[in-house]
Amino acid sequence: ENVLTQSPVTLALSPGERVTLSCRARQSVGNFLAWHQQKPGQAPRLLIYEASKRATGIPARFSGSGSGTDFTLTISSLEPEDFAVYYCQQNANWPLTFGGGTKVEIK
Amino acid sequence: EVQLVESGGTVTRPGGSLRISCVASGFSFDYYDMSWVRQTPGKGLEWVSTINGNDGNTGYAYSVKGRFTISRDSANNFLHLHMRNLKGDDTALYYCVRGGTDSPFDYWGQGTVVTVSS
Repeated sequence: ENVLTQSPVTLALSPGERVTLSCRARQSVGNFLAWHQQKPGQAPRLLIYEASKRATGIPARFSGSGSGTDFTLTISSLEPEDFAVYYCQQNANWPLTFGGGTKVEIK
Repeated sequence: EVQLVESGGTVTRPGGSLRISCVASGFSFDYYDMSWVRQTPGKGLEWVSTINGNDGNTGYAYSVKGRFTISRDSANNFLHLHMRNLKGDDTALYYCVRGGTDSPFDYWGQGTVVTVSS
């Protein structure tokens, strides 16, 4: 299966800081890579799909980039509501897979 | 407004069977891929199964292949997951999700809890 490796596992930051999260695929997924945000007690929410397209209602401070095997999610300036776990996920090939997640916590 | 509401989660014994369901509203159900994704307490997300909207093709995670069957009732906008020979490792919160191989996971239900324990 196409393992997705996210780094770092945990990140401690302050509001206003810029965040860069990484997701690396074992084999190419083209641009079929999405990012989801999950807060405690809530279902995940789609942020980015097809590597760089923002989902409906997602603020412009969230952006995605990359193709093939290396992808990045950037939050330009952290807001208090952005502290959460972020998962990358590929839908290029069976079985669909998720990364292990990156927890962004308050410093 | 897109809504996905799961039901059917319960406590069941190892080796048992269970069907969980999801009722969809607010969109053309037939048109979309639909999936199940699960999450164990404090752990990450695991894709379980998808049924394609255009051709009904199905896919399964290796961990459930041969034990779980995904199906859809297009007349009533239901997605089902039939689970048999359940194991402790199947204990999880099961999310119904719109999307799959042809479209992203763009809407998630709130989940239904399945507990497999003796």
